[in-house]
Amino acid sequence: NAGVTQTPKFRVLKTGQSMTLLCAQDMNHEYMYWYRQDPGMGLRLIHYSVGEGTTAKGEVPDGYNVSRLKKQNFLLGLESAAPSQTSVYFCASSYKRQGDEQYFGPGTRLTVT
Amino acid sequence: GDSVTQMEGPVTLSEEAFLTINCTYTATGYPSLFWYVQYPGEGLQLLLKATKADDKGSNKGFEATYRKETTSFHLEKGSVQVSDSAVYFCALRLASAGNNRKLIWGLGTSLAVNP
Repeated sequence: NAGVTQTPKFRVLKTGQSMTLLCAQDMNHEYMYWYRQDPGMGLRLIHYSVGEGTTAKGEVPDGYNVSRLKKQNFLLGLESAAPSQTSVYFCASSYKRQGDEQYFGPGTRLTVT
Repeated sequence: GDSVTQMEGPVTLSEEAFLTINCTYTATGYPSLFWYVQYPGEGLQLLLKATKADDKGSNKGFEATYRKETTSFHLEKGSVQVSDSAVYFCALRLASAGNNRKLIWGLGTSLAVNP
C-alpha cells in the first residue's frame, strides 16, 4: 500500500494563478482532510470530507475549494493564489471510528510570490 | 471550547536524558487522545494513542497516560536519542457523533537532542 500520496511535492505560483493539489489514499478510508501548517500556528484544518461526494469547511476555508468525486481522491484548489497561502499543505485520511488515527501524506510546499 | 495546550518549545536535551512534554486538554465527554511526531521534512505520523481514561499508549520507548482527573496526556521517554529530534503534536478527537471525527491539535513542541 502506498498510503496517502500528494502531488506535487513543491510548487511556486505567482499571485493570482490557480492550481490544484491532489491527494490520493489506497486504504479505503471514509474521511479525508486538508490542513495547512505554518510556523507557530500548528496545523489548521482547511476542508474535510466524510465521504464520496461530500465536503465541509474547516477552520480556514477562505480562498480554497475542494472536491471528492471519488472515495480515494481529495482535491484542493486555489482559484487565485495569494502570498498568504504560502504554506505547507498536508492531506490526511482516516476511518470513521472514533479512536482511529489520521494517516498523513508527505506534504506539498507551496510558495506564492 | 474544546482545546489542546502543549508546553512551548523548543526543548533541547542531551542524549539519554529524560523527556517530558506536557499536554493538557479541554473537552466534553471522553475524547480519544493522540501524540503525533513530525520528523524534519516529513508528514506527521502517529506515535501513540489512548482511547479511554487510564489507558497508557506506548511506542518506540515513548509513553503517555490518559488522565481524566487532570485532563492530561503527557508524553515521556526515559532516554532520548538524537534520532528523536522532531516536532511532537498532541491532539484529541471528540467523542460526540456530530463532530465528524476532526482532530483538535496542539501547536507542537520542537525537540532537539544533542549527542
